[in-house]
Amino acid sequence: RKEVEQDPGPFNVPEGATVAFNCTYSNSASQSFFWYRQDCRKEPKLLMSVYSSGNEDGRFTAQLNRASQYISLLIRDSKLSDSATYLCVVNRDDKIIFGKGTRLHILP
Amino acid sequence: DGGITQSPKYLFRKEGQNVTLSCEQNLNHDAMYWYRQDPGQGLRLIYYSQIVNDFQKGDIAEGYSVSREKKESFPLTVTSAQKNPTAFYLCASRPSWGTSNTGELFFGEGSRLTVL
Repeated sequence: RKEVEQDPGPFNVPEGATVAFNCTYSNSASQSFFWYRQDCRKEPKLLMSVYSSGNEDGRFTAQLNRASQYISLLIRDSKLSDSATYLCVVNRDDKIIFGKGTRLHILP
Repeated sequence: DGGITQSPKYLFRKEGQNVTLSCEQNLNHDAMYWYRQDPGQGLRLIYYSQIVNDFQKGDIAEGYSVSREKKESFPLTVTSAQKNPTAFYLCASRPSWGTSNTGELFFGEGSRLTVL
């Protein structure tokens, strides 16, 4: 079983819709969690950290469920500029592991 | 400006040759990482280093070697033992964990290696 698993997509979503991504991780000792965004042929960039209490940054909401070892990202009122690959990232003792990513296409 | 510099950006080599990819950072970060990305794939961890003169294998270390003689530098050598070396290689650094650190990785722009 891979340490971090994501649905690869692609998710084709009309502009203005709400879209949710999920991610699961296998090692319960994992300590911190992140969502990164990667545009085509570019380096990944941090979108947001993920906490058990949930956190929100504008149209983006992230949530961590430690009991189920599950991480989610919700994007509201999606924009064309949200089209990208979203990477779920898990840290365990400084070993930072990326999921394969979920591709999102926002349709005009 | 502070940042991470990877070089070269594009590199072509013949099969059987060793190749060294450079990664330099002036962010004063303690930890540095090397990842490999293949088309349609996520990033896979090759090696990482939390401190000078120390490094750990990631999930796909076979056929690669690294050194960490200076805090600023973490070069990656792709040896002839690496069976499928053609890929996009990304170097990243991270400051020490602390109350003000979100754990963000700062990436270089990557090096595209093609083995002919």
